[in-house]
Amino acid sequence: DVVMTQSPLSLPVTLGQPASISCRSSQSLVHSDGNTYLNWFQQRPGQSPRRLIYLVSNRDSGVPDRFSGSGSGTDFTLKISRVEAEDVGSYYCMQGTQWPPYTFGQGTRLEIK
Amino acid sequence: EVQLVESGGGLVQPGGSLRLSCVASGFTFNNYWMSWVRQAPGKGLEWVANIKQDGSETYYVDSVKGRFTISRDNARKSVYLQMDSLRSEDTAMYFCARDHMRDWGQGTLVTVSS
Repeated sequence: DVVMTQSPLSLPVTLGQPASISCRSSQSLVHSDGNTYLNWFQQRPGQSPRRLIYLVSNRDSGVPDRFSGSGSGTDFTLKISRVEAEDVGSYYCMQGTQWPPYTFGQGTRLEIK
Repeated sequence: EVQLVESGGGLVQPGGSLRLSCVASGFTFNNYWMSWVRQAPGKGLEWVANIKQDGSETYYVDSVKGRFTISRDNARKSVYLQMDSLRSEDTAMYFCARDHMRDWGQGTLVTVSS
């Protein structure tokens, strides 16, 4: 199985400041079809997860442009350009290249400093 | 608007069974793979199972193989998770998700305890 490792696991951020979360996979996430199936999810307290980013860097509909995804191969990053109060919650990366199983990172808890 | 509504959770004793249901609306149900994903209290996300559009293929995480069965009824726009031989470690919120986790329901809580 592909192991997904996120860092940091806890991320205190001042409002208006940038934030960055790293996600590393134990194997390359480049699929034989040429795509890299790496997604990012946000889970606000008490809510269901919501997909933010798919195929490494594509924002889902309605996702603010302060969220961006980048990376390749085994090394990926989610960046928030200016953190707002509504961004508090947990963030997960997930690979969909080598499934089953789909595998998630451990999650990163973002809080306001 | 895509909607996924889960039901069927509850308290069950170890060794018992439960059947979860998820009713979909707002999209052409029989065009999409469907998954179940769970989250133990205070923990991260774990993919559990998925099923192809026509039900011809199903896949499971190793920890539930032989105990859980995913199925679907395209006429009812519904996906199900039959959970047998439940263990305390199956205690979690169970989410239904569309198309490789593109959209999620609100979840239904399963508690396995004596």
